[in-house]
Amino acid sequence: DGGITQSPKYLFRKEGQNVTLSCEQNLNHDAMYWYRQDPGQGLRLIYYSQIVNDFQKGDIAEGYSVSREKKESFPLTVTSAQKNPTAFYLCASSIAGGPRETQYFGPGTRLLVL
Amino acid sequence: DQQVKQNSPSLSVQEGRISILNCDYTNSMFDYFLWYKKYPAEGPTFLISISSIKDKNEDGRFTVFLNKSAKHLSLHIVPSQPGDSAVYFCAAMEYGNKLVFGAGTILRVKS
Repeated sequence: DGGITQSPKYLFRKEGQNVTLSCEQNLNHDAMYWYRQDPGQGLRLIYYSQIVNDFQKGDIAEGYSVSREKKESFPLTVTSAQKNPTAFYLCASSIAGGPRETQYFGPGTRLLVL
Repeated sequence: DQQVKQNSPSLSVQEGRISILNCDYTNSMFDYFLWYKKYPAEGPTFLISISSIKDKNEDGRFTVFLNKSAKHLSLHIVPSQPGDSAVYFCAAMEYGNKLVFGAGTILRVKS
């Protein structure tokens, strides 16, 4: 089955710790995205990547880092510099090349700070 | 400054009736709009989209209307079913595939 997988479903972070959220897709999509959702708010773009080995900052990139070494994988690291990391994190992907490609989302990872 | 606004945090509708979810935007450069449906603890699921060259797009029970002069779009669900109960997000896209989301509207369909 084609789709986007995110792991883990729940993740706990201690103060000062970096944590990495996994996102994998087997849809052969070129573009991948990371969003953050907070209660009562829409999704906000953290980082996105249109092609392997290239990525751009979104609207709220501070305190986060990404890599795109493989087409199917786009891990997100929440660093200790992110002061309010508790949120629901969503990964998405789309076919790149066209300007109007629908983004498809994974099931999400909920990050909680201990 | 919110560029995409969903001013109704929640909506309650009787099963079989019409659900109308509204969305307003401020950026005139947006030219593609999407609606996503989201269940708790799951990722959003794409529902329907509309390009700015159209004013209506229909897919089964779901119809999206776009009024460019008013910078307003709406999603109509007819007839509403209990399984439609979810959070609905409106999203707008500029050229380059960056999506801007509204805060969402919780739809409850009562049986």
